Amino acid sequence: EAQLVQSGAEVKKPGESLKISCKGSGYTFTNYWIAWVRQMPGKGLEWMGIIYPGDSDTRYSPSFQGQFTISADKSTSTAYLQWSSLKASDTAFYYCARRQQLALSAFDTWGQGTMVTVSS
Amino acid sequence: QSALTQPASVSGSPGQSITISCTGTSSDVGAYNYVSWYQQHPGKAPKLMIYDVSNRPSGVSNRFSGSKSGNTATLTISGLQTEDEADYYCSSYTSSSTLVAFGGGTKLTVL
Repeated sequence: EAQLVQSGAEVKKPGESLKISCKGSGYTFTNYWIAWVRQMPGKGLEWMGIIYPGDSDTRYSPSFQGQFTISADKSTSTAYLQWSSLKASDTAFYYCARRQQLALSAFDTWGQGTMVTVSS
Repeated sequence: QSALTQPASVSGSPGQSITISCTGTSSDVGAYNYVSWYQQHPGKAPKLMIYDVSNRPSGVSNRFSGSKSGNTATLTISGLQTEDEADYYCSSYTSSSTLVAFGGGTKLTVL
């Protein structure tokens, strides 16, 4: 059974850097796109970007362009989302999700979510 | 503002049927049969309920069905149960550089 396990909750100060992770198991990690989705407190889902671990092809939502970096390590079957300088407005739950191979908007496996709190 | 438009809330009684609409444009919902629906209970990760407009993943109840007409997709839940109370989100592939668009979400209340 495919599974995505995310790193634990983080509490950071504005201006600090952060890298959260999403480890895949139970399937061939390099064959599926992995997306990152933001959910601010009490708000809806926002698609941030997506990476194909097989060749690290990465696409970003124009709404978020430049605010963070998505990467993946094939050797550990892990995808990452990182910020170089966090802002209070980055406070949110962040989910990673696996996209089905042929259904281009279908994310069939989700991580449990990582809560990021940015506060001075 | 979300790319896809959903009603903020819908409600129904146990046993009834409800529908949730998801309106996009000719660049997303209207252009592709790549519409998905997700269910999210409070404090939980979203769960895929429908993909490619009307297909159900293994394990999803056949009380959930999807359809599309023009730029609007619809999720129908028949035989409402209390455990169906949750937030529902639609998503669509889009030809824009965004690649994927989400709806703003609909809160389903089972009265």
